[in-house]
Amino acid sequence: ETGVTQSPTHLIKTRGQQVTLRCSSQSGHNTVSWYQQALGQGPQFIFQYYREEENGRGNFPPRFSGLQFPNYSSELNVNALELDDSALYLCASSRQGAKSPLHFGNGTRLTVT
Amino acid sequence: GESVGLHLPTLSVQEGDNSIINCAYSNSASDYFIWYKQESGKGPQFIIDIRSNMDKRQGQRVTVLLNKTVKHLSLQIAATQPGDSAVYFCAEIPETYKYIFGTGTRLKVLA
Repeated sequence: ETGVTQSPTHLIKTRGQQVTLRCSSQSGHNTVSWYQQALGQGPQFIFQYYREEENGRGNFPPRFSGLQFPNYSSELNVNALELDDSALYLCASSRQGAKSPLHFGNGTRLTVT
Repeated sequence: GESVGLHLPTLSVQEGDNSIINCAYSNSASDYFIWYKQESGKGPQFIIDIRSNMDKRQGQRVTVLLNKTVKHLSLQIAATQPGDSAVYFCAEIPETYKYIFGTGTRLKVLA
């Protein structure tokens, strides 16, 4: 069974730039969620994708957007980067339906300077 | 790897002792709860879950207790080992798409 993989592992961007983070979901999973984890905090829900559509969203501005592809992989895009966007971005996959554990990747560490 | 959290509440226990990590949740609608373990440089790893129709659930060396009256969750780790050193998060799930994580507790196992 292949787990959740994310790329890149680390990334440094300048304020105002745009970034795309990528995620491959665990085999057999059809739902992908993205979380932002600031240093010393728990993960914060950004959004979830199911059937290539956004299925729920947390308290994040529209400059955070995503995509899900037919193979269930996903992208997180962040436009107009701000210094406060520096964080660990976690992707998690699951099966749509009854509540069940999210399976997380190891994240992408984004630093905005 | 990088530290997950620098100013988290910390629980220090002697190797071989039992650990108890506590968590308060906020949403009365939450009916599913999960404990995750996060090691430095890694994503959260599932430990154990419990649904609201249960008060207690046991796994291998771990037990989760749920008190819905006071909205409290605890994770007990028996015979704590050095490999248990990590940050532990509880998550409450009020809706199928949104998992709400606590701030985390760092567990340090002393040799």
